[in-house]
Amino acid sequence: GQQVMQIPQYQHVQEGEDFTTYCNSSTTLSNIQWYKQRPGGHPVFLIQLVKSGEVKKQKRLTFQFGEAKKNSSLHITATQTTDVGTYFCAGSGFLHAGGTSYGKLTFGQGTILTVHP
Amino acid sequence: SQTIHQWPATLVQPVGSPLSLECTVEGTSNPNLYWYRQAAGRGLQLLFYSVGIGQISSEVPQNLSASRPQDRQFILSSKKLLLSDSGFYLCAWTRTGMSSYNEQFFGPGTRLTVL
Repeated sequence: GQQVMQIPQYQHVQEGEDFTTYCNSSTTLSNIQWYKQRPGGHPVFLIQLVKSGEVKKQKRLTFQFGEAKKNSSLHITATQTTDVGTYFCAGSGFLHAGGTSYGKLTFGQGTILTVHP
Repeated sequence: SQTIHQWPATLVQPVGSPLSLECTVEGTSNPNLYWYRQAAGRGLQLLFYSVGIGQISSEVPQNLSASRPQDRQFILSSKKLLLSDSGFYLCAWTRTGMSSYNEQFFGPGTRLTVL
């Protein structure tokens, strides 16, 4: 089945340093989504990438989708303490129920980011 | 606006006891519903998904079961809990249809400890 690998597992940075997490899929993805989970909280959707080579930005966050649609990255510029949490990528595949295909997200293991002030 | 509720928020249960976790969604109809489990410091494992009332599909064989008695209600159950059932249980929903292109909205989760 589809596997999504995410590295690194942990990242400790000083406030103001940059941070990058990488996501690799064993199969070509139709799209990839990124989620953030604050400590003790639940995952919250950040963004979705659909097109090959797509790059999207949200303030200090830059998301990229590889040309082959098998890898993705999230880069945070000048981290802040509010960036603390676990960042998950999730690649989409399909579930089958009642003769119809439905979306399924396969989550990476996540990268736990800690930011030291 | 749509909201998703889960209860209880935390639960401590002895090994061998039954389990019932509930998830309800408001503000939408006919959602696709999902149960995930997250072990401490780990990723999300999909347990069950449902595309309609009474329609449940299981992703992995396990000690748990799920039911969807109403359109916006999803229940996770066990007859006898195991130590390995401990974890953070998350319910999520997406809009109906080809939801691979739809973001998933997660509930606040239930933290289950089996002793």
